Amino acid sequence: DAKTTQPTSMDCAEGRAANLPCNHSTISGNEYVYWYRQIHSQGPQYIIHGLKNNETNEMASLIITEDRKSSTLILPHATLRDTAVYYCIKRETSYDKVIFGPGTSLSVIP
Amino acid sequence: GAVVSQHPSRVICKSGTSVKIECRSLDFQATTMFWYRQFPKQSLMLMATSNEGSKATYEQGVEKDKFLINHASLTLSTLTVTSAHPEDSSFYICSARDLSRTGSDTQYFGPGTRLTVL
Repeated sequence: DAKTTQPTSMDCAEGRAANLPCNHSTISGNEYVYWYRQIHSQGPQYIIHGLKNNETNEMASLIITEDRKSSTLILPHATLRDTAVYYCIKRETSYDKVIFGPGTSLSVIP
Repeated sequence: GAVVSQHPSRVICKSGTSVKIECRSLDFQATTMFWYRQFPKQSLMLMATSNEGSKATYEQGVEKDKFLINHASLTLSTLTVTSAHPEDSSFYICSARDLSRTGSDTQYFGPGTRLTVL
């Protein structure tokens, strides 16, 4: 099945909101959108996930369009430590294996 | 949150030797663990799914005789790179699935092992 599509790279000024888009136009009704990030030379870290409603936790917010064909991960006040590769992934359940695409390399600029 | 450790964090070996990498779930039992490989400037590639007490399931294109996986207990999976060659040099990452957790995610990743084959 078709995977998600993300921009290759993005820059964000420190202290500003980072908005990372993801296109998942072929998402099925029972698939969730998951976001992970990987800081250089570390293991991936779970950020947030959602089905159709917007979600927020201590790390980020996830905005999913009404047709569920795309979503945006928002880091409200980006810091230098948020520089990482961000992966947007479709999964039917949290028990499914995680298949990573190329992701978006986010650089937070001082 | 759940913690997954890997040992060693980095290893350098000579070509032709075998290297074992351990993945441990420290505060939960994991019937399923996953092994990934990541080359520089590339994404993580899933190599295999490791199931406790049974044979691992390998992804297409991954040589099972080259990458031996053993999941003998609910907290430990090992990946052995046999007869390693320089092209096996990579960042190896494991993850473990915690079925007892609900809500956020059930899969937790280790910090990775950097393998360099000379």
